[in-house]
This record gives sequence, structure tokens and C-alpha cells, in this order.
Amino acid sequence: QKEVEQNSGPLSVPEGAIASLNCTYSDRGSQSFFWYRQYSGKSPELIMSIYSNGDKEDGRFTAQLNKASQYVSLLIRDSQPSDSATYLCALSTGGGNKLTFGTGTQLKVEL
Amino acid sequence: NAGVTQTPKFRILKIGQSMTLQCTQDMNHNYMYWYRQDPGMGLKLIYYSVGAGITDKGEVPNGYNVSRSTTEDFPLRLELAAPSQTSVYFCASSSTAGDSSYTFGSGTRLTVV
Repeated sequence: QKEVEQNSGPLSVPEGAIASLNCTYSDRGSQSFFWYRQYSGKSPELIMSIYSNGDKEDGRFTAQLNKASQYVSLLIRDSQPSDSATYLCALSTGGGNKLTFGTGTQLKVEL
Repeated sequence: NAGVTQTPKFRILKIGQSMTLQCTQDMNHNYMYWYRQDPGMGLKLIYYSVGAGITDKGEVPNGYNVSRSTTEDFPLRLELAAPSQTSVYFCASSSTAGDSSYTFGSGTRLTVV
């Protein structure tokens, strides 16, 4: 089993809809979870971090964490074409602030 | 404030050649990382450093070496390049213990032919 699993997509949603991106993980010891956005040909950029069970909202983005079920999700409300990118789920593993990344989900927001 | 700077942006190497990928950060971050990203494979950790003079292996260290003589610089050395090292390489940094909010460099696209 992969440490961090994401559906590669593409996930297509119409403009203005809610995009739901999901991630499951195997390491129950992970404490910190992150969502990075990566545009094609660019480097990843951090959009959300979450450390506790429940929801965390930041503008149009909501991260959800359920440690018992070992999943973390990202909701994007009012999706815009500029949200079209690959979204990488990452979680902390061991010391040294190391992150383990999923393979990413490609999101396409269609006009 | 430049953040994390990587050079070069692109490079083509012949099999067996060597090169150094440069990474510099100006944020006074203690933690630095090298990842490689292959299509559809996500980011894999090559090496990381928790401070000047301290480095450790990540998930895929074979064929690479690193050094960390200063807080700012974390070069990645490829010895005897192989086609399997064709990838996009990202350097990243984070500031303190417990903070995995990475700042990434713009990446180096390396092709080994």
C-alpha cells in the first residue's frame, strides 16, 4: 500500500462548482497534513495545512482531516479556471520536517 | 526577497557525466530538501539537511551526494549520470522544527541521454 494515495484524475468540474479532492494515508503517526498546488511546469506552492481533526477554512478552500479514517480532503468552492492545476497531498513523516507526497490529482475547471 | 533559487533551470547531460545542481535560500531557513519529480510519480525525497554540516538520506539517495557547508546553500551532486536520473529536481526549505511548510525553488529539468 502506498503511503499517500490520491486519484490521479483528471477531475473535471464546471466553473462555480465545488471541487472535492481526496487523499488517504497509511501512517497513523502522521501529525501534519498539507495541500500543495502545482501548475503545469511550475513548482508546488502551499495552499493549506491542517493538524487537527475537523475542518479548516481559508477563503474558498476548506481542508478536512479525519485521523481515525486516515483521510484528508480539500474542498474548493466557487471553482475558477485559474484553479486548474495538480493538487498534491503531503504528510509529515519522521523527523527533519520531511514530507511524503501523493502523486497528485489533476483538476480541470471548465468554462 | 528571492526565496529559494535553483540553477540551472535546464540541463542535458550525457551518460557518465557529472554535474552539480545549485540551491540557495535567503530566508535563513535551517531545513533544506532535495526532491525529484517524475511524471505521474509524485515527489520523492533524495536528501535533506536540518542545518549546516548535517545531512541525511531520503527515500531515493542512490547516485546523488549533498553537502551543507552554509545555512544558505545546499548543492546536489550527480556522479556518473544515468538515464534513470532524468527528472525534474526541486529544492525546498522550511524554517523551524515542526514546520513542514515548504518554500520550493523553481526546479531544474535534467535530461540524461
